[in-house]
This record gives sequence, structure tokens and C-alpha cells, in this order.
Amino acid sequence: QKEVEQNSGPLSVPEGAIASLNCTYSDRVSQSFFWYRQYSGKSPELIMSIYSNGDKEDGRFTAQLNKASQYVSLLIRDSQPSDSATYLCASDKTGRRALTFGSGTRLQVQP
Amino acid sequence: DTAVSQTPKYLVTQMGNDKSIKCEQNLGHDTMYWYKQDSKKFLKIMFSYNNKELIINETVPNRFSPKSPDKAHLNLHINSLELGDSAVYFCASSQAGLYEQYFGPGTRLTVT
Repeated sequence: QKEVEQNSGPLSVPEGAIASLNCTYSDRVSQSFFWYRQYSGKSPELIMSIYSNGDKEDGRFTAQLNKASQYVSLLIRDSQPSDSATYLCASDKTGRRALTFGSGTRLQVQP
Repeated sequence: DTAVSQTPKYLVTQMGNDKSIKCEQNLGHDTMYWYKQDSKKFLKIMFSYNNKELIINETVPNRFSPKSPDKAHLNLHINSLELGDSAVYFCASSQAGLYEQYFGPGTRLTVT
């Protein structure tokens, strides 16, 4: 079982819709969670971090964490074609200082 | 105003050669990392350094040798390159006490 699992997609949503990206993790020791966006041929760009159960909102992005279910999600409201990218979920164990990444979900926003 | 930079951006070389990749960050961070992204786009930690001290070596072959001359620089030297070393290598950095990591633009290594 992979430590961080994501559906590879592609997830296709129309422009203006809400895109919902999901991630599960297997190691209960994981404490910190991150969402990165990676455009083709570019480096991962940090868009959200979340450390405690519940929701965290930043602009059009909302990260949700449920440690009991070992589940992390990212909602993108009012999706734009420029949001089309691969979204990487990552976790970090306290003190380890090294991210474990999922394989990424490719999001396509249709104009 | 580049935060994390890497050189070179592209590296094409033959099997058996030795090559180096350099990374610099101007964010004042104290921890730096090397990640490898393979052809299937899977991103995996290789090394991390905190204040010039190696803290993670993720079962990487010893042909790979990282070096941190100071906390703003982290280099990666690869000996006897193999076809399987072809990948994109990303440098990243983070601040003490925080876990958010910021990535450089990557170095695409192609071994022929």
C-alpha cells in the first residue's frame, strides 16, 4: 500500500464548477499535509498546507483534513482553465522534514 | 528575485560519466532537499540537509553524493551515471520549525 494515494485522473470539470481532489494516507504518524500544483514541465508550487482537522480556506482553495479517516481533500471553487494541472498531495511526519508525495491527480478545466 | 535556483536546467550525458547539479536558495531557509521525479512523474525524497548536516538519506545509491558548503547551497554529484538516473531532479528548501517546502525549477537529466 502506498503511503499517500491519489486517483490519477484526469478529473474533468467545466469552467466555473467546483473541483474536488482527494487523497488518503496510510501512516497515522503523518501530521502535516500539503497540496502542490504542478504544470507540465514546471516545478511543484505550494498552494495549501493543513495541520489540524477541519477546513482551511485560502481564496478559491479549501483544504480539508480528517485524521480519523486519514483523508485530505482540496476543493477549488470557480475553476478556471488556468487551474488545469497535476495536483500533488504530500504528507510529512513530525520531525522527519521530508515530504512523501502521492502520484498526483491531473485536473482538466474545460472552457 | 529567484527564491530557489538550480543549474543547469538541462543535462544530457552518456552512461558512465560523472556530473553535478547545483542549487542555491536566497530565502534564508536552513533546510534543503533533493527530490527525484521519474518518468511516471512520481516525486521522491533523496536527501535533506539541515544547516549543512545530512539528516535524511533515503536509500539512494552511493553514486549520489550531496554536499552543502553552506546553508544556502546544496549540490548533488552523481558518479558513473546509469540510464535509470534519467529524471528531473528538484531542489527544495524550508524554514526551521515550518514544513512548507519551496521547489526550484528542476534539472532534467538525460543519460544516453
